[in-house]
Amino acid sequence: KQEVTQIPAALSVPEGENLVLNCSFTDSAIYNLQWFRQDPGKGLTSLLLIQSSQREQTSGRLNASLDKSSGRSTLYIAASQPGDSATYLCAVSYYSGGSNYKLTFGKGTLLTVNP
Amino acid sequence: KAGVTQTPRYLIKTRGQQVTLSCSPISGHRSVSWYQQTPGQGLQFLFEYFSETQRNKGNFPGRFSGRQFSNSRSEMNVSTLELGDSALYLCASSLGDSSEAFFGQGTRLTVV
Repeated sequence: KQEVTQIPAALSVPEGENLVLNCSFTDSAIYNLQWFRQDPGKGLTSLLLIQSSQREQTSGRLNASLDKSSGRSTLYIAASQPGDSATYLCAVSYYSGGSNYKLTFGKGTLLTVNP
Repeated sequence: KAGVTQTPRYLIKTRGQQVTLSCSPISGHRSVSWYQQTPGQGLQFLFEYFSETQRNKGNFPGRFSGRQFSNSRSEMNVSTLELGDSALYLCASSLGDSSEAFFGQGTRLTVV
């Protein structure tokens, strides 16, 4: 059974700091890994998708890496801003009996960026 | 391009009632998945539909059901509501296997 763990559960940093969020998964037979952002009471916003054959993806101040063999991914946020405050979720998709498309999520990291 | 649309955004129901939630995927997306989000359990997979066929189902009781129409729009139904069904229900659409998932804003269901 695939399990996804995110560390830390919560993180508070001053504005301008670079930070790293961690995600680990137990079964390396994944198809892709996706990072999401969720604001309170809202839906999920896709940030980055890394296919299993890729090592990293970048979008603006965000960089996500994937090490499938060790079951780890990191999300690097450069020069953090108060608007980055949200819960960040990591999810992996993997084969699950009849469908490729099933996402298993971590519990998320609650990020607070203080002005 | 329009995103994933979920209706209604908020619902309050009484125990024992049933409820139907709707999801309109991004145009061209044939895969629709449903998830339940609660503070204690986080995001849990309910089911996934592709071209009107349920391909995968999570570990939820039979009170939870769904369907997908020929235009890819999907509905999920919860019968005999329990207090524990109170949650944010999220729908995601994608082109298909291994594609990026896009989520709607969710439906907040409160059972009283």
